[in-house]
Amino acid sequence: QVQLQASGPGLVKPSETLSLTCDVSTDSITTGYYWGWIRQSPGKGLEWIGSIYHSGSTYYNPSFKSRVSLSVDKSKSQFSLTLSSVTAADTAIYYCSRLDSGVYGGVYIDYWGRGAQVTVSS
Amino acid sequence: DIIMTQTPLSLSVTPGQPASIFCKSSQSLLHSDGKTYLYWYLQKPGQSPQLLIHELSSRFSGVPDRFSGSGSGTDFTLEISRVEAEDVGIYYCMQGLHLPLTFGGGTKVEIK
Repeated sequence: QVQLQASGPGLVKPSETLSLTCDVSTDSITTGYYWGWIRQSPGKGLEWIGSIYHSGSTYYNPSFKSRVSLSVDKSKSQFSLTLSSVTAADTAIYYCSRLDSGVYGGVYIDYWGRGAQVTVSS
Repeated sequence: DIIMTQTPLSLSVTPGQPASIFCKSSQSLLHSDGKTYLYWYLQKPGQSPQLLIHELSSRFSGVPDRFSGSGSGTDFTLEISRVEAEDVGIYYCMQGLHLPLTFGGGTKVEIK
């Protein structure tokens, strides 16, 4: 079973950039899966942020517009999230995850990492 | 975006009794390949969500057979045949047909 662990600063100031990294263990980040981020807040529930393939191909939720960027570091078996210009509304638990897909369609999260609490406050 | 709506918001169940959770999507989740891309997750207290059901009705690895998923088009049901104490938590449906992936608001299941 894949193990995923998110890490990063727990406190970010408004207007600054949130950065989180996810370590992927017991699995190769170059296997045929996507890797992604989901956040959970009391106000908005579960929100899919975006996903990335080991080749660098990305898919983002348009709700985050141009604020979000995902990257992957195959040598470290890590993938990362940056979210710029944060506000209090970005306060949430951030989960990194593995995503699987069907042959012809359908995408889903099959494994979730332990979440990382991020608070946006001055 | 596809909107996912769950009912009820909460459910209190006697151990050993059945429970049903409902989910409705704003558009059909049936793909041209014949599969329905509807998923169910359980978030136990203090834990990350875990996958229970994929593609409408297939149980994920290790999921007990008391959990079953059904439905078609836009209306879906998760059934627990006999609720156990370990089943408490918040259940979420999710659609995987179109990006962005979207989730229902959750149904909290408690034990009486």
